[in-house]
Amino acid sequence: QVTLKESGPGILQPSQTLSLTCTFSGFSLSTYGMGVGWIRQPSGKGLEWLANIWWDDDKYYNPSLKNRLTISKDTSNNQAFLKITNVDTADTATYYCARLTGGGGSFDYWGQGVMVTVSS
Amino acid sequence: DIQMTQSPASLSASPEEIVTITCQASQDIGNWLAWYQQKPGKSPQLLIYSATSLADGIPSRFSGSRSGTQYSLKISRLQVEDTGIYYCLQRYSNPYTFGAGTKLELK
Repeated sequence: QVTLKESGPGILQPSQTLSLTCTFSGFSLSTYGMGVGWIRQPSGKGLEWLANIWWDDDKYYNPSLKNRLTISKDTSNNQAFLKITNVDTADTATYYCARLTGGGGSFDYWGQGVMVTVSS
Repeated sequence: DIQMTQSPASLSASPEEIVTITCQASQDIGNWLAWYQQKPGKSPQLLIYSATSLADGIPSRFSGSRSGTQYSLKISRLQVEDTGIYYCLQRYSNPYTFGAGTKLELK
């Protein structure tokens, strides 16, 4: 059974760094073709893809935030991480992590999401 | 960036009706298209991947098709539990982009 769960600070101030953790089970990020992605959704709005990391440590970022994003993984502990530097109120959103399968697959399993508020 | 133009923005239909939602890609994306359903307060659920393949556990009344750069999600025999917001996603190239969403309500 595949599960993913996001965790984060809940609230932080503008200019701080947001650190998010995705803890998953039921698959391994050392398995060929597996990946984890991060997607966010401001309240009442649509979905925005942020970044992916693959089993071979390939990383891809949304260019609109690329300089602020860092994705990483800890294969031994089944975790993936996302850092966003210099946050502002526009980064207030629910952040999801999701399993990504290679080939023609997509984000097939999602976490429940973690709400992050940026406020002074 | 590849733009995904999704339509309609909202629709209302009766149970047992057939509804179709479309996404128009701004360039060729092959079959790198997925459809998701999102219910209020929940995370998105994968319905269709590779444009036409039904995800595990999804009822067969959901189907996906492609004509060139236009992609469609069809829901046959609409059920009450099908209400929600539907999104398409292209992952042909970075950045992956979602359609703006279609809000489906039942009459």
